[in-house]
Amino acid sequence: DTGVSQNPRHKITKRGQNVTFRCDPISEHNRLYWYRQTLGQGPEFLTYFQNEAQLEKSRLLSDRFSAERPKGSFSTLEIQRTEQGDSAMYLCASSGGGANEKLFFGSGTQLSVL
Amino acid sequence: GQNIDQPTEMTATEGAIVQINCTYQTSGFNGLFWYQQHAGEAPTFLSYNVLDGLEEKGRFSSFLSRSKGYSYLLLKELQMKDSASYLCAVRQAGTALIFGKGTTLSVSS
Repeated sequence: DTGVSQNPRHKITKRGQNVTFRCDPISEHNRLYWYRQTLGQGPEFLTYFQNEAQLEKSRLLSDRFSAERPKGSFSTLEIQRTEQGDSAMYLCASSGGGANEKLFFGSGTQLSVL
Repeated sequence: GQNIDQPTEMTATEGAIVQINCTYQTSGFNGLFWYQQHAGEAPTFLSYNVLDGLEEKGRFSSFLSRSKGYSYLLLKELQMKDSASYLCAVRQAGTALIFGKGTTLSVSS
C-alpha cells in the first residue's frame, strides 16, 4: 500500500491556461475526494466519487472545474481558463466508505497561477 | 449547511496540556473528526467521535457533546513535534467531510 498519490506536486501556469491534476487513491478504497486548501485555511470540499459515480459537487465549484473517475480507480481534476484565485493546494483523499471512514490524504498539488 | 468554529491560533509550552475547542452547527450530524496537519504536509487522521463522551488515544483525547454542538481535542505532555494545525471536521449524513479553518498550535521549549 503506497498511500494516495498525486501528481504533479507543483504546477505553475499562466492565467487562462487549462491544467489537469491526477490522483491515484489507495487501491481498495471506493471513495475519492477532492479538496482545495489555501494558506491558513482548512481544506475546502470540491467534489467526491463513489467508484466512478460523482455523488456530490460543491456549490462553490465553478463550471471551469471538472472531475472524472472513469474506471473507479484514479481521478483527474481539470481547471479550465485558470484565474489567479485558483492558486491553492489541491488535495485528494480516499476512503473505504462507512460512517466512521477515515480519509487518507495525498501530498497535494500546489497550483500557482501567474 | 454547516458552520464550524475553532480558534485560529494557540500557544503552549513543552510538557503542558492544551485543549482545542470546536463548535459546530449542522443538520443530520454523522460524526466529528480531528486531523493534524504539519506545515506543507497532508492532513493525517487523529480521532473520530460519533457518540457523546471522551475517546482517548495515547497523549491525545477527543470529546464530543452532540446536544451542545461542541468538541475538544486534548493534547497532553506536549512535544515540539506537536506544533501543527489541528483541523476539526464534521460529517452530515450522506455528504462529504467538511473542515473548519484549523487551529495553529505553536509549542515552545
